[in-house]
Amino acid sequence: QKEVEQNSGPLSVPEGAIASLNCTYSDRGSQSFFWYRQYSGKSPELIMSIYSNGDKEDGRFTAQLNKASQYVSLLIRDSQPSDSATYLCAVKRAGGTSYGKLTFGQGTILTVHP
Amino acid sequence: SAVISQKPSRDICQRGTSLTIQCQVDSQVTMMFWYRQQPGQSLTLIATANQGSEATYESGFVIDKFPISRPNLTFSTLTVSNMSPEDSSIYLCSVDRGGQTEAFFGQGTRLTVV
Repeated sequence: QKEVEQNSGPLSVPEGAIASLNCTYSDRGSQSFFWYRQYSGKSPELIMSIYSNGDKEDGRFTAQLNKASQYVSLLIRDSQPSDSATYLCAVKRAGGTSYGKLTFGQGTILTVHP
Repeated sequence: SAVISQKPSRDICQRGTSLTIQCQVDSQVTMMFWYRQQPGQSLTLIATANQGSEATYESGFVIDKFPISRPNLTFSTLTVSNMSPEDSSIYLCSVDRGGQTEAFFGQGTRLTVV
């Protein structure tokens, strides 16, 4: 089992729709969860972080965390063609020898078509 | 956030040679990391750059191949030694202030080995 696993892509949605990206993780010691967006040829850009169970909203983006189910998701409302990118789920432990290290999922390619 | 300057942004190198990548941060940070992103893949942690001591390498990465320096809290280098075409990847510097904080990435170095 992969440490961090994202829903298989690619994901294609029409402009204006909701894009739903999912991620599960195996390490119950994980404390911090992130969604990064990566455009082709660019470095990852942080778009959301979440640390507590529940929802966190920022503009068109909503992150959801359920630690009991070891599940984190990202919803993008009113999707725009500019949202087309690879979305990376990343998980971080709080302490121990893995302190500060990020473990990434394999990424989900999102395409928003006009 | 932190402003991270990474250079070179890209390079084409001959096999058997070495390349040193620099990462400069605009403020002191607790942790600096080096990641590799192979073509079409997600990010994999190479090592944690420790200030004033030897870097901590992840499984599958060794100091002889990827020597790392971190002379102070704002600067680190990664050397890719005795390169082969399999080393063609994007190499990314990342910084983290610890705890429940986000990690940020430099612009990345796109390395092609011919």
